[in-house]
Amino acid sequence: AQSVSQHNHHVILSEAASLELGCNYSYGGTVNLFWYVQYPGQHLQLLLKYFSGDPLVKGIKGFEAEFIKSKFSFNLRKPSVQWSDTAEYFCAVNENVAGASKIIFGSGTRLSIRP
Amino acid sequence: DAGVIQSPRHEVTEMGQEVTLRCKPISGHNSLFWYRQTMMRGLELLIYFNNNVPIDDSGMPEDRFSAKMPNASFSTLKIQPSEPRDSAVYFCASTLQDRVGGYTFGSGTRLTVV
Repeated sequence: AQSVSQHNHHVILSEAASLELGCNYSYGGTVNLFWYVQYPGQHLQLLLKYFSGDPLVKGIKGFEAEFIKSKFSFNLRKPSVQWSDTAEYFCAVNENVAGASKIIFGSGTRLSIRP
Repeated sequence: DAGVIQSPRHEVTEMGQEVTLRCKPISGHNSLFWYRQTMMRGLELLIYFNNNVPIDDSGMPEDRFSAKMPNASFSTLKIQPSEPRDSAVYFCASTLQDRVGGYTFGSGTRLTVV
């Protein structure tokens, strides 16, 4: 079975700092990868996704992620964070089971931005 | 589209009572997922359906939990009897299986069992 590891449980940054959140997955074959964001008190929303093609994926709100197959990684980046980026961020990978697809989520990284 | 609709938004119940959570997926989506989110365990997949058929219920914690999807536009997650450790936010999500484009999540049901 697939697994997703997010090594940073809580990251604290000041506004305008650069952000990189780590994500590693276990499966060595073809993967679909996602980053979701959950703002305080809200549901999960899709930030960006990778299926194929350019390994550098651009998402909403200035976020991007780079798929590095050799490292089994899909790290999330943003050059300059804002206070409004305070949220929990989940990396996820797609797994196919019995002809149906499900998404496995990492444990999440809580991002706190100091104004 | 109204998105994935969950009800109720909040539920407070006494231990031992039956709790039913409801979900209406996005019209046209053929897969539906139930997740539970807690501080301790994060986001756990409980069960998912494809074309109204349960595919994988290995995440359902125990026999007290059951889920149904009688038609393409409605699903329920039932806990009977409820226990304080069931307190969590329960999310429903849906997607179109033929196009793996990520899920759309509902706003969740915050369950508190006292």
